[in-house]
Amino acid sequence: GAGVSQSPRYKVAKRGQDVALRCDPISGHVSLFWYQQALGQGPEFLTYFQNEAQLDKSGLPSDRFFAERPEGSVSTLKIQRTQQEDSAVYLCASTPGLITLNEQFFGPGTRLTVL
Amino acid sequence: GQNIDQPTEMTATEGAIVQINCTYQTSGFNGLFWYQQHAGEAPTFLSYNVLDGLEEKGRFSSFLSRSKGYSYLLLKELQMKDSASYLCAVISGNTPLVFGKGTRLSVIA
Repeated sequence: GAGVSQSPRYKVAKRGQDVALRCDPISGHVSLFWYQQALGQGPEFLTYFQNEAQLDKSGLPSDRFFAERPEGSVSTLKIQRTQQEDSAVYLCASTPGLITLNEQFFGPGTRLTVL
Repeated sequence: GQNIDQPTEMTATEGAIVQINCTYQTSGFNGLFWYQQHAGEAPTFLSYNVLDGLEEKGRFSSFLSRSKGYSYLLLKELQMKDSASYLCAVISGNTPLVFGKGTRLSVIA
């Protein structure tokens, strides 16, 4: 497909479990973003990659959150020892170029529920 | 830091016009985006304003006043499918996009 895809779409984890969320950006898009969206809220920035370089991770809420994009395309957001407050929709977005200039194309999100 | 404020909920009638306001406080302003998000779906791009004035795109228009830190999204000839959340987002300097909490619009018959 031509859009951003994410998998899984839904994930239920027990508290303390590790999870890995995958994002496939639009082919050729340089920049990739991860957001966390709680119910009834706007997306909140987590981290940002330009190709394989993670340029900003200031939004990651704790050291349990880790993101990588080793080959500059697919990205994985990993959450270790999940907590109930991690329950949210995790959105991935990509843009063709620089952060400030382009609209972001969002994937459908992964809804994470931590029990 | 940045502060973005928009109403939480609005209701409007099919066929009417609705204006969704957004106010922001930021330094190094580089532009303001509006996104539409249907429940359970991804946000989709509606508009981008960097200069003062009105940008019209079909039934949707977006206005920006940089001096007032103010924008609005105007939706005309409302349709039921316009029921969604509308997200205002600001970009400043090289910081990532900062979103408001969104305005949930309900269109009623």
